[in-house]
Formats: sequence, C-alpha cells, structure tokens
Amino acid sequence: DAMVIQNPRYQVTQFGKPVTLSCSQTLNHNVMYWYQQKSSQAPKLLFHYYDKDFNNEADTPDNFQSRRPNTSFCFLDIRSPGLGDAAMYLCATSRVTGVTGELFFGEGSRLTVL
Amino acid sequence: QKEVEQNSGPLSVPEGAIASLNCTYSDRGSQSFFWYRQYSGKSPELIMFIYSNGDKEDGRFTAQLNKASQYVSLLIRDSQPSDSATYLCAVWEGKLIFGQGTELSVKP
Repeated sequence: DAMVIQNPRYQVTQFGKPVTLSCSQTLNHNVMYWYQQKSSQAPKLLFHYYDKDFNNEADTPDNFQSRRPNTSFCFLDIRSPGLGDAAMYLCATSRVTGVTGELFFGEGSRLTVL
Repeated sequence: QKEVEQNSGPLSVPEGAIASLNCTYSDRGSQSFFWYRQYSGKSPELIMFIYSNGDKEDGRFTAQLNKASQYVSLLIRDSQPSDSATYLCAVWEGKLIFGQGTELSVKP
C-alpha cells in the first residue's frame, strides 16, 4: 500500500515555466517535508510543515514555495525553474511520537528543466 | 555549519563479505543517528537508528556509534548483491541532516 504518494513521478518543464509537484499521505502524520536531491548529493531540506506551521530553511531560494491545504496534502511550487533546479524532489512525512528522525519518503518527483 | 561527512565510494565488496560504511559528524551535541538505504532512482528508506554509544545489531546490520570520536558506522555482514545501493548517514538536529551517501556494490 502506497503511503506517501508523489505526482508526477517525472516532470519536464521549460526554463522559467512554473511547476507544481504534489504529495499526499495516508499515514496521518503531523510533519511533512520537502527535500531536494541532486545527483550524487545529499538530500537537502527545503522546508517542512508541523501541522499548518510552515518552516522554511534559511538557504531555500524564494523561487520555491509550498502549500499544505490539509493534513494529507502538500505541494511544492517552483515559480521560475532554472537549469540548476533540475533534481529529484522528495516528499517525506514523520510522526511526532515514535522514532524521531524516522522519515517515510515518497518515490520522488524527478524534474528536468530544458 | 553542521555537517555529516561520508566517503562517496564506490565501495566494492564480494558477495558474503563484510561491508563497512563510515560517517563523521561535526556537531558534538548530536544525539540521534540514522542509516538510510537508497536504491538507484528510488527514495531513501530507514534501515537502522542508534542513540547510544556502542553497537546495535539488527539481523545482518550493525550500527556502531562513538560520540567521543563523532563517528558512526554501519556494518553489513554476509553482503548480498541486493545490498547494492547508496547508504545515507543522517543526524537529527531538530531536522534530519544527511550525508552525501556511500555507494556500495556487492559483486556476485
């Protein structure tokens, strides 16, 4: 059973054309994260939500925005993608209780910018 | 700048051997440490976590933590080709900070 679902799995866009990536979860977890992972690099946290509270990382570019309309869904908006934004975007969730640091990842959305 | 450092590899071991993966971290106050496995083109999945100094065993996997040396390792005994993946070390600092991963290749 898929628990963290990301759509689309593959997204091709043109330079500067806005993109929205979606993430849904059936785990009812309080916390949802967006990570960016470039080839052979560590996943880099962009932002996370604790319930509706939004937490932006200091070095996340303004080009990246996020929305969480309800517990189950979270969106990543890239307003004007550049070539450097080509990456795998990983959505993850976690519980407040249990093992802190145990993240449940979706399959990822791979973004290509032409 | 809090960092997690890993040798990117690739680390190649023969089937049945012990694979040893290493990680160092910069924040002496870190308390929680994790190993995630990531198959090519897939998302990371948690395989081990460790909080206390010493060893923690789970099947063929052993995590080792030495807080004084700021060093975490993962041993995989009886390595199988299906263990071939990138292994990400991560440290909890109010958020999960990942290393860049070590690519492991287990040769039949």
